[in-house]
Amino acid sequence: DAGVIQSPRHEVTEMGQEVTLRCKPISGHDYLFWYRQTMMRGLELLIYFNNNVPIDDSGMPEDRFSAKMPNASFSTLKIQPSEPRDSAVYFCASSLTGFTGNTIYFGEGSWLTVV
Amino acid sequence: QKEVEQDPGPLSVPEGAIVSLNCTYSNSAFQYFMWYRQYSRKGPELLMYTYSSGNKEDGRFTAQVDKSSKYISLFIRDSQPSDSATYLCAIPPGAGSYQLTFGKGTKLSVIP
Repeated sequence: DAGVIQSPRHEVTEMGQEVTLRCKPISGHDYLFWYRQTMMRGLELLIYFNNNVPIDDSGMPEDRFSAKMPNASFSTLKIQPSEPRDSAVYFCASSLTGFTGNTIYFGEGSWLTVV
Repeated sequence: QKEVEQDPGPLSVPEGAIVSLNCTYSNSAFQYFMWYRQYSRKGPELLMYTYSSGNKEDGRFTAQVDKSSKYISLFIRDSQPSDSATYLCAIPPGAGSYQLTFGKGTKLSVIP
């Protein structure tokens, strides 16, 4: 399996622009997660889906952030409008039901810089 | 107090040394404990997990949980340059929960 695939790997954008990050989870996995990692705050869970349905979005920082999962093989995280403080690495991850001890597989991340 | 605290390091050791990485946590109800390894510019990958107290060994790696002290440790024996990475502890609030709380990670460098 190719693992969790994220795009773009790197993005530099200007403040105020819309940013869309994309994720393809591992085939057959029914949980999908979006994390954000910064030096100051570490790795934070933003939102997660089960069977394409958002389960908990309490980690989404503001209304500027939104996430969708239109089907089992694709999810997006959108920031509109973007701000410099959104600069971070955004990770998508997926897992299979039956968590405890099961692995959450992370993608390689999307490195976002907002200038 | 944060739920999970981890010394960010960085930690630099010579090849072959024994490494000790640690986290403390605040909620005594936590039962599952995990260690993730993250290489530079990569996503985290699960290294080990343990349930409740005690030790778990996997090759050169040993995970240890001391619930009385709310303290978890990861030991690396005979450390290798390939072990150079950031190590993050992670704790779910309960069985079946996917909402992992991660420590900020300790950056380890093993010098040849």
